[in-house]
Amino acid sequence: AQTVTQSQPEMSVQEAETVTLSCTYDTSENNYYLFWYKQPPSRQMILVIRQEAYKQQNATENRFSVNFQKAAKSFSLKISDSQLGDTAMYFCAFMQDSGGGADGLTFGKGTHLIIQP
Amino acid sequence: DTEVTQTPKHLVMGMTNKKSLKCEQHMGHRAMYWYKQKAKKPPELMFVYSYEKLSINESVPSRFSPECPNSSLLNLHLHALQPEDSALYLCASSFSATNEKLFFGSGTQLSVL
Repeated sequence: AQTVTQSQPEMSVQEAETVTLSCTYDTSENNYYLFWYKQPPSRQMILVIRQEAYKQQNATENRFSVNFQKAAKSFSLKISDSQLGDTAMYFCAFMQDSGGGADGLTFGKGTHLIIQP
Repeated sequence: DTEVTQTPKHLVMGMTNKKSLKCEQHMGHRAMYWYKQKAKKPPELMFVYSYEKLSINESVPSRFSPECPNSSLLNLHLHALQPEDSALYLCASSFSATNEKLFFGSGTQLSVL
């Protein structure tokens, strides 16, 4: 079974600062996907960024980027130039690439990120 | 249309009631999911439907009964729930069960009295 660990229950930074959220995972699989989801107070889960395990290049989406270290099973999220709207719960998630079956996401416990004005 | 629509947004029910949650998408997705999320916790997978057939049931109690009448619609029928079943119920869909990009609805906040 896969496990996802987020060791920072809560983080707080000033607006415009850069912040990094940590995530580690454990799996025996070689093919999988990793994700960061954002859940603002509206409770809707919003996909922030995704990474295919077979790709060495780190994924980037505007102000959001990841540092994917496959050997260390680490997948951190960096938010640059943080904005008040980035305040949310952030979940790291894992999905096995089973190639034929149906799999859902396994989530970490989440990091509550607060952007201070 | 890239939305997953869930109704109702809020539901209060007694332990003897029968109610249903509804989830709809018109993106042509053939995989649909139910997740349960307790306050300050991550979502937990309950059920996965692939091509209108149940493919995963994560040992969910029988008081929760999923149904997928067609490729666009997913229901969750509730009966004889317990107060500990109070939670946010999230629906999601993806192009197929092997496609990793899930689209989530905004959830139904359920309170069982």
